[in-house]
Amino acid sequence: KAGVTQTPRYLIKTRGQQVTLSCSPISGHRSVSWYQQTPGQGLQFLFEYFSETQRNKGNFPGRFSGRQFSNSRSEMNVSTLELGDSALYLCASTHGGSANEQFFGPGTRLTVL
Amino acid sequence: KNQVEQSPQSLIILEGKNCTLQCNYTVSPFSNLRWYKQDTGRGPVSLTIMTFSENTKSNGRYTATLDADTKQSSLHITASQLSDSASYICVVSPGSNDYKLSFGAGTTVTVRA
Repeated sequence: KAGVTQTPRYLIKTRGQQVTLSCSPISGHRSVSWYQQTPGQGLQFLFEYFSETQRNKGNFPGRFSGRQFSNSRSEMNVSTLELGDSALYLCASTHGGSANEQFFGPGTRLTVL
Repeated sequence: KNQVEQSPQSLIILEGKNCTLQCNYTVSPFSNLRWYKQDTGRGPVSLTIMTFSENTKSNGRYTATLDADTKQSSLHITASQLSDSASYICVVSPGSNDYKLSFGAGTTVTVRA
């Protein structure tokens, strides 16, 4: 069974631009969670989607948004990029709720110049 | 204040030696505790998942222990190898239907020949 895939793996943007990241969960998994990871903050929860609905949300500004499609693939969008948005963005899929094991993708390394 | 505290922040050990990482949490209620291994630039990979009723769980040379009374967990690495060099993250799930996982900041382990 294929693992969680994320595209692109690396991205360089400039301040003010917007970016869209994509995540394809493991086949059969309906829950996708997004995380931001920075050296100083560790893993920070962004939001979680289940069956195309945002089920939970972390404490990030509205510039961070996401969606999930009927095939469970998910995208996250960051608008008006700031230097502080430079981070590794990880998505994780799980079969049901987060009480179940989460499987992480390799991440997208975003650099904002 | 982070509800999951890990120590030490980093450590260096010689190949073949053992080491123990600590995780203290204040999350309540508590459903399960997970240890993840994250190689540089990669997504975290699950090592162990323990519910509150489990005291120990092993995965090869990795052994996790849990004391739900004192809210402490440890991850023991036996006969370390160079490939064990990574960040180890402790994650606590508060409940079966709560998606707000609590992440520790991680312990960075460097194994030297």
